Amino acid sequence: GAVVSQHPSWVICKSGTSVKIECRSLDFQATTMFWYRQFPKQSLMLMATSNEGSKATYEQGVEKDKFLINHASLTLSTLTVTSAHPEDSSFYICSARDAGLNTGELFFGEGSRLTVL
Amino acid sequence: QQQVKQSPQSLIVQKGGISIINCAYENTAFDYFPWYQQFPGKGPALLIAIRPDVSEKKEGRFTISFNKSAKQFSLHIMDSQPGDSATYFCAAGYSTLTFGKGTMLLVSP
Repeated sequence: GAVVSQHPSWVICKSGTSVKIECRSLDFQATTMFWYRQFPKQSLMLMATSNEGSKATYEQGVEKDKFLINHASLTLSTLTVTSAHPEDSSFYICSARDAGLNTGELFFGEGSRLTVL
Repeated sequence: QQQVKQSPQSLIVQKGGISIINCAYENTAFDYFPWYQQFPGKGPALLIAIRPDVSEKKEGRFTISFNKSAKQFSLHIMDSQPGDSATYFCAAGYSTLTFGKGTMLLVSP
């Protein structure tokens, strides 16, 4: 299947700093990518839909000024957690659909674990 | 977000047994119903998915049963193995997916 790569896979940062997480579709083009957050032993919660060349669509309750999303190309979306605080510590997972397929299948990255001290 | 209700929350099955996980959805516009397997510290991986125009889909030891009128679908894992021990999520949607809360499956040797 198609591969979605996330980087970094884990990051530790100090409170108040910003952290950028990259999501790349390695062998396909993705006009839309999705960012999820997952707390321990909980389900995946959709944060936002990243659209190539336009603004991201955020889910209710997700602060767009805190979670900056940029989808600058058909293979790259970035999530920047600005002024991170300990409550932002979570597992962030991106996913993407192959624009060339009509299966609806979502390909997930391996996730990025953020720990804010 | 529209809810997807998943049960049970956890499941213990003996090796060789059948694992059954159930999900129910609300939105009749949903047209894509995948199941994902997630190991600790890893992203979810697609196991099997179904569209509402069929009632059953089988891939190897994994089968999805889909009941459109009841708005329910289930995952059956035949001949369950210890390596199947993981968290399983159902999901439903069309443009975006809504996930169930997950089922932690433990297959005992």
